[in-house]
Amino acid sequence: ILNVEQSPQSLHVQEGDSTNFTCSFPSSNFYALHWYRWETAKSPEALFVMTLNGDEKKKGRISATLNTKEGYSYLYIKGSQPEDSATYLCAFSHYSGYALNFGKGTSLLVTP
Amino acid sequence: DTAVSQTPKYLVTQMGNDKSIKCEQNLGHDTMYWYKQDSKKFLKIMFSYNNKELIINETVPNRFSPKSPDKAHLNLHINSLELGDSAVYFCASSQGGTRHTQYFGPGTRLTVL
Repeated sequence: ILNVEQSPQSLHVQEGDSTNFTCSFPSSNFYALHWYRWETAKSPEALFVMTLNGDEKKKGRISATLNTKEGYSYLYIKGSQPEDSATYLCAFSHYSGYALNFGKGTSLLVTP
Repeated sequence: DTAVSQTPKYLVTQMGNDKSIKCEQNLGHDTMYWYKQDSKKFLKIMFSYNNKELIINETVPNRFSPKSPDKAHLNLHINSLELGDSAVYFCASSQGGTRHTQYFGPGTRLTVL
């Protein structure tokens, strides 16, 4: 089991605030890092897959960065909206892994 | 047009029974997975399967067995159900290994009484 740590565990922001979360993972034998968005009673929805050190990905107001040497990734949400409320999952695999190891997620609540 | 579908959505059964959960993907993917969401809402891999290889998480009891009749299906069979098997089970698929996006099904909530 490869430990993937996410922080904070939960976050409550006001509409319009920008926010960010952290995902920490083992830096050795890095292979891939995924971010998913998971709304209650739905299935996880893929946001980004990153494989190279220094990768930056963007999708609308959401972006992510990756540092494989130090073993962390940041997810940023600019100008949070109530519909951004969800749990954001980070998942990691190492070079010989057959599946993803998920963190426990950061639960985001955006209130108007 | 559901990409990854699971049936049933809810399953309530008695201890000791044998049950199956079906998973189908219409994405043409070559790899399918089963995950278990535990009581702490943590997603944990149970199995990974492509047309060449089945890989099992060694912590999964052998009462659980995946069966793939064809490339688009990976069903989960559970024998002698126990109370601790109660959880939400998610199927997923991807084209290739873990450098590729995984697409998840809606989940099956299993309750063992």
